[in-house]
Amino acid sequence: SQQGEEDPQALSIQEGENATMNCSYKTSINNLQWYRQNSGRGLVHLILIRSNEREKHSGRLRVTLDTSKKSSSLLITASRAADTASYFCATGLLSSGSARQLTFGSGTQLTVLP
Amino acid sequence: DTGVSQDPRHKITKRGQNVTFRCDPISEHNRLYWYRQTLGQGPEFLTYFQNEAQLEKSRLLSDRFSAERPKGSFSTLEIQRTEQGDSAMYLCASSLTRTGQETQYFGPGTRLLVL
Repeated sequence: SQQGEEDPQALSIQEGENATMNCSYKTSINNLQWYRQNSGRGLVHLILIRSNEREKHSGRLRVTLDTSKKSSSLLITASRAADTASYFCATGLLSSGSARQLTFGSGTQLTVLP
Repeated sequence: DTGVSQDPRHKITKRGQNVTFRCDPISEHNRLYWYRQTLGQGPEFLTYFQNEAQLEKSRLLSDRFSAERPKGSFSTLEIQRTEQGDSAMYLCASSLTRTGQETQYFGPGTRLLVL
């Protein structure tokens, strides 16, 4: 079953605008990761944030994590047409024995219009 | 290129046939994972290996599915007596155990269509 849920399911913006995607999850986590997937392709790792971190930056990406609300957000600033893709959050669970698998949400489809 | 590779990239088969997929992880990575992804959904965990040992299997992995990693390097995923419901993208990922905060690197996937 899917642990996380991304919101919105689909997002369409103009090039240059910022895009914000949210992820909620259900159980205690060790870390949360964001991945990007272009249509029909494999997943590309974007960023990992640990459960004891609140914010992390990587280039045009900014990720926040609120473990009290069990939620995370991914902000892409100054979006480009090449950012068009599906974005998934994935959680690494805290429970021993299950800490290795990632549990993915159903994704946000981002479309950046030129 | 030293990323995760998968072969074949596409497979079309008839219901009832067996299929086998191969995954070559990043060379120094000791963990290897298989996931399945259906249209419009995120990947779902199937199984993972640490070196040659298969340490965890999902309930999604029915008796018709078997995975191996005989020498702790490449892995194969076999589906026997395929069903139309097996149609999906099969993704492989690998990671290196280091700090416990490991990143999984994914291959391009094998898209399976069962007719």
